[in-house]
Amino acid sequence: AQSVSQHNHHVILSEAASLELGCNYSYGGTVNLFWYVQYPGQHLQLLLKYFSGDPLVKGIKGFEAEFIKSKFSFNLRKPSVQWSDTAEYFCAVKPLSGNTGKLIFGQGTTLQVKP
Amino acid sequence: DGGITQSPKYLFRKEGQNVTLSCEQNLNHDAMYWYRQDPGQGLRLIYYSQIVNDFQKGDIAEGYSVSREKKESFPLTVTSAQKNPTAFYLCASSPTGKDEQYFGPGTRLTVT
Repeated sequence: AQSVSQHNHHVILSEAASLELGCNYSYGGTVNLFWYVQYPGQHLQLLLKYFSGDPLVKGIKGFEAEFIKSKFSFNLRKPSVQWSDTAEYFCAVKPLSGNTGKLIFGQGTTLQVKP
Repeated sequence: DGGITQSPKYLFRKEGQNVTLSCEQNLNHDAMYWYRQDPGQGLRLIYYSQIVNDFQKGDIAEGYSVSREKKESFPLTVTSAQKNPTAFYLCASSPTGKDEQYFGPGTRLTVT
């Protein structure tokens, strides 16, 4: 079965520390990839997406993610986190065949940034 | 203001009662989705609809039902057959031909 795995369930960082959240998926075909963020009390919103082209994609608020096809990974990074980055982060994958529009989400990673 | 609205924000029900969660969008999106979010499990797809008057089961459809009589509306009914209904429910929509989904604020359902 297709699945998405986020290895870090809960991450605690101090402000200005660098962030990397792991995301791996199990699907051999072509995929579209997403990172969503859910700030406390707010809607789930799109952080960034990868469809094709440059495997290093930049999103909002200084986040970026790198697609490594050989590793089936799409890790999220930010060089220097802020207290306002405290949120839950979800990786999502959409296989491009036989999937009829469904996104497959990872379990989520809760990021807590200490001021 | 364009967006997705879900009401109410918090809902409390007694065990054995059916309850319907509302989802409305004015984004003119064809596709709509219902997810359930539980701690440590991410988002799991309950039902989805790619067009009016048509919908498909997602990964955890048992104990739930939906209707899609209008493009703007995709209500979810949590029936008494759902064994563990207490959860946070998220509605989403996406435009035709696009993969990114846009989410509503969610409804937190508590069944006691």
